[in-house]
Amino acid sequence: DAGITQSPRHKVTETGTPVTLRCHQTENHRYMYWYRQDPGHGLRLIHYSYGVKDTDKGEVSDGYSVSRSKTEDFLLTLESATSSQTSVYFCAISAGTGGYNEQFFGPGTRLTVL
Amino acid sequence: RKEVEQDPGPFNVPEGATVAFNCTYSNSASQSFFWYRQDCRKEPKLLMSVYSSGNEDGRFTAQLNRASQYISLLIRDSKLSDSATYLCVVNILGGYQKVTFGIGTKLQVIP
Repeated sequence: DAGITQSPRHKVTETGTPVTLRCHQTENHRYMYWYRQDPGHGLRLIHYSYGVKDTDKGEVSDGYSVSRSKTEDFLLTLESATSSQTSVYFCAISAGTGGYNEQFFGPGTRLTVL
Repeated sequence: RKEVEQDPGPFNVPEGATVAFNCTYSNSASQSFFWYRQDCRKEPKLLMSVYSSGNEDGRFTAQLNRASQYISLLIRDSKLSDSATYLCVVNILGGYQKVTFGIGTKLQVIP
């Protein structure tokens, strides 16, 4: 299995509080992604990174920010959590070196915003 | 029209049966294709990439039809352990390797 960990694995928080999720990889892959998965929807891209300090928005980026200060770490921050951000969050990595560039996923973080 | 469409199912099939899933994509510029498997409350895991000439991995066969813009996954001799949700993933090659996920097709293999 690809070396990807996410922390925390579960979190319950209250509306209006800031939350930071961490993704850590040991594969030295260039690309990192944050997705959310909700019933009735496929995985939806929140933000992605194509290198240290290089990030960009995905399709559902409102209310989220990211940072990547090291190759191995990609942080997702909910500045002020809302109930609509209750979801399962997956981090993924990709080598991006050409060819098919499959993505590999971390175990996920289940976030509940009350 | 959604970029990637799948029948969500569920597909209930008996053990030993052959089952096939299709997935259609809307962007003709799509370059690479994948099937992922996702077990309940787990992360998606790569099942197989889908190559232009079609490819097989044991009981699993993937096909690509560019003219009709769909990919398929065939599972032969279904096992109870094949019960999962199968995600179709389409990659429009770009600077950040953007992929689009289908909603997934749920398969339940019944004893």
